[in-house]
Amino acid sequence: AQKITQTQPGMFVQEKEAVTLDCTYDTSDPSYGLFWYKQPSSGEMIFLIYQGSYDQQNATEGRYSLNFQKARKSANLVISASQLGDSAMYFCAMRGTQGGKLIFGQGTELSVKP
Amino acid sequence: DAGVIQSPRHEVTEMGQEVTLRCKPISGHNSLFWYRQTMMRGLELLIYFNNNVPIDDSGMPEDRFSAKMPNASFSTLKIQPSEPRDSAVYFCASSLGQGLGEQYFGPGTRLTVT
Repeated sequence: AQKITQTQPGMFVQEKEAVTLDCTYDTSDPSYGLFWYKQPSSGEMIFLIYQGSYDQQNATEGRYSLNFQKARKSANLVISASQLGDSAMYFCAMRGTQGGKLIFGQGTELSVKP
Repeated sequence: DAGVIQSPRHEVTEMGQEVTLRCKPISGHNSLFWYRQTMMRGLELLIYFNNNVPIDDSGMPEDRFSAKMPNASFSTLKIQPSEPRDSAVYFCASSLGQGLGEQYFGPGTRLTVT
């Protein structure tokens, strides 16, 4: 069975500093994808970044990067130069080759302090 | 391009009433997903379609829930009869193919059953 674990219910970070949100996963699929989504207080789910299990390099999208450590089964999200608008819930998710559905973690609530 | 469109954005109904949620996926996307988000259970897949065909409906709670996708640009999720425990945010998402690519979410429908 596939599982995503986010062990940090809440995080605080000072504006302009970097922050790492943890995500570990468990799967027996040989090929899979890992995703991060942002959910601000308005409720929409915003796709941030994607990492394929066979990608050689860590994914980056602007201020977002994914620290992918396959042997440790971790896919941490790094946000550089935090902004007040980064305050939101962040969800890690995985999709395997057995089906199209995303399996989500419980989320981490990030608060950026001015 | 328009993103995933959902309607209504908010729905308040009385227990026992029928509720129909609607979704228009991103043009060209051939996979469509219905998710439900609650505080207790987080985000979980209800059902997903590929090329208008239901592929995995194992997340549909019970016979009160049904989903259809009559064509590539429209899907409905129906609850009949509705119960207070159905109160949640229902998201529709779409993606290309059944592979490992990203899913794009609609704004969600916040359902309240009194």
